[in-house]
Amino acid sequence: DAGVIQSPRHEVTEMGQEVTLRCKPISGHNSLFWYRQTMMRGLELLIYFNNNVPIDDSGMPEDRFSAKMPNASFSTLKIQPSEPRDSAVYFCASSLRTVDTEAFFGQGTRLTVV
Amino acid sequence: EDQVTQSPEALRLQEGESSSLNCSYTVSGLRGLFWYRQDPGKGPEFLFTLYSAGEEKEKERLKATLTKKESFLHITAPKPEDSATYLCAVHPHNQGGKLIFGQGTELSVKP
Repeated sequence: DAGVIQSPRHEVTEMGQEVTLRCKPISGHNSLFWYRQTMMRGLELLIYFNNNVPIDDSGMPEDRFSAKMPNASFSTLKIQPSEPRDSAVYFCASSLRTVDTEAFFGQGTRLTVV
Repeated sequence: EDQVTQSPEALRLQEGESSSLNCSYTVSGLRGLFWYRQDPGKGPEFLFTLYSAGEEKEKERLKATLTKKESFLHITAPKPEDSATYLCAVHPHNQGGKLIFGQGTELSVKP
């Protein structure tokens, strides 16, 4: 398996624009996580899905952020409108189950909002 | 409030100089503690999971241990390729799949 695949690797956008980040989890994994990493706050969980259903979105910073998982092999994280403070590295991770199993991370998307 | 604190923030070692990284945690109930390694520009890579106090796990030059309040990642005779940021995360009870990460320890091993 190629691991968790994220696209794009880098995204530069202007403030106010819509940004969509994409993730393909490892085949057979039932749980998918979206994290954000910044120097100030470290790695933070935004939202996670189990069997394509959102379970906990309490980490989503505000209504400008939304995430979907239409099927077991694809998820998106959308920011609309984007703001400079959204600049960060966004990671997608997947695991066999939500609990007690290690998560495998993608390479991340580095987002810069100017 | 569940919290994870890692120390030191940065550690510089000479090749072969053994040391330990610390992960202190406060959690209402611990389901598991995870160690990850992160190289620059890459996602975290899983190393170990520890579930109960007294448990130890080893992988090459790394050994992770767990007590009721902290975990240590011991690095024996490190090599330059061990240079990375090491992240600790706790998985609390009653919080589903949520992991709470520490800020990490940036390890640099000089030849």
